[in-house]
Amino acid sequence: AQSVAQPEDQVNVAEGNPLTVKCTYSVSGNPYLFWYVQYPNRGLQFLLKYITGDNLVKGSYGFEAEFNKSQTSFHLKKPSALVSDSALYFCAVRDDNYGQNFVFGPGTRLSVLP
Amino acid sequence: EAQVTQNPRYLITVTGKKLTVTCSQNMNHEYMSWYRQDPGLGLRQIYYSMNVEVTDKGDVPEGYKVSRKEKRNFPLILESPSPNQTSLYFCASSPGVWVAEAFFGQGTRLTVV
Repeated sequence: AQSVAQPEDQVNVAEGNPLTVKCTYSVSGNPYLFWYVQYPNRGLQFLLKYITGDNLVKGSYGFEAEFNKSQTSFHLKKPSALVSDSALYFCAVRDDNYGQNFVFGPGTRLSVLP
Repeated sequence: EAQVTQNPRYLITVTGKKLTVTCSQNMNHEYMSWYRQDPGLGLRQIYYSMNVEVTDKGDVPEGYKVSRKEKRNFPLILESPSPNQTSLYFCASSPGVWVAEAFFGQGTRLTVV
């Protein structure tokens, strides 16, 4: 079965410092990986996805993520954090052995401190 | 504007009183889904639909019903709501291909007293 883990409930980082939000996954087929962000009182917004090709994918708001097949990871990164990046981040996977369902991780709350 | 629209955004109801949360998308997406979000549990899928008249249970379907009579609409029905269904609900839609991301509605905060 598919599963997604986000090992950190909370990540704190100082403004201007690099940030990393971790995600690992388990699938039986080929993974299609996604990151979403949720701001307070808002729905989830798509940030970026990995389908195939270059392991480093770039997305919205300066975020990027690195796909690592051997470690089954898809960590979200940003070189310089902003206070406005503070939000809840979700990693999700689709597995082409399990149809088109998304499976989401539990979420990681990112706090960027001024 | 491409969007997924949920209504209502906020709802307080009493135990046992049937309610429906509507979801509509204007992107001609085949796939639609309902999730509930609870603290510490992330997003859990309730039901999903691959196309018109095709629906299936997700991880937490008990106490919920759905229908997909038209491609654009995917209502969530609580026949007899209970307090443990107090939650934040999201509808999402996606094109029917694996590589596509999902688009989410703004959410419906439901309180059952």
